[in-house]
Amino acid sequence: DAGVTQSPTHLIKTRGQHVTLRCSPISGHKSVSWYQQVLGQGPQFIFQYYEKEERGRGNFPDRFSARQFPNYSSELNVNALLLGDSALYLCASSRRDRDTGELFFGEGSRLTVL
Amino acid sequence: AQSVSQHNHHVILSEAASLELGCNYSYGGTVNLFWYVQYPGQHLQLLLKYFSGDPLVKGIKGFEAEFIKSKFSFNLRKPSVQWSDTAEYFCAVNAGSGGYNKLIFGAGTRLAVHP
Repeated sequence: DAGVTQSPTHLIKTRGQHVTLRCSPISGHKSVSWYQQVLGQGPQFIFQYYEKEERGRGNFPDRFSARQFPNYSSELNVNALLLGDSALYLCASSRRDRDTGELFFGEGSRLTVL
Repeated sequence: AQSVSQHNHHVILSEAASLELGCNYSYGGTVNLFWYVQYPGQHLQLLLKYFSGDPLVKGIKGFEAEFIKSKFSFNLRKPSVQWSDTAEYFCAVNAGSGGYNKLIFGAGTRLAVHP
């Protein structure tokens, strides 16, 4: 079975630009979560979506937004990019919105903001 | 505030040495605890998990962890490491409330195993 897939794998943007990252969950998984991993730190929770609704949000500014589509895939959007947004963005899927918390991660999208 | 602390940022061991990585969490609710591993060039993978019951849990590749509620700890152990265990290890707690998953991760421990 295919795992969580993310695109693009790498991208470079300049300050002030906008970026869209995409994620396809494991087949049968209805929940998608997004995490930001800055170099040298553990992943930090951004959002969780379940059945196209936002179920949880981390401590991130409104420049960060996301949505989930009927096929359970998801997009993460970041507006007005800052240098500090440079990070690995991880998508994770799970079967439900709230369960034991076992997540299945993709390989991530590495964003560099210049 | 909810948090997870990993005691060691970098650990260097020789093959066959024993491993123990410390993890302490701060969370007042019912805990689900995890250790994830990230091998070089690969995605985060679940190593083991604790939900309830026996506080000593066994995971893949010979790893185990012990949940000590009184100490808010969930330390990872392996009796004899191999070169292939070289990776970054993350401890995490599920701190979601109101019906969603929210994993809080520690900063990670980079393990290098020398042949």
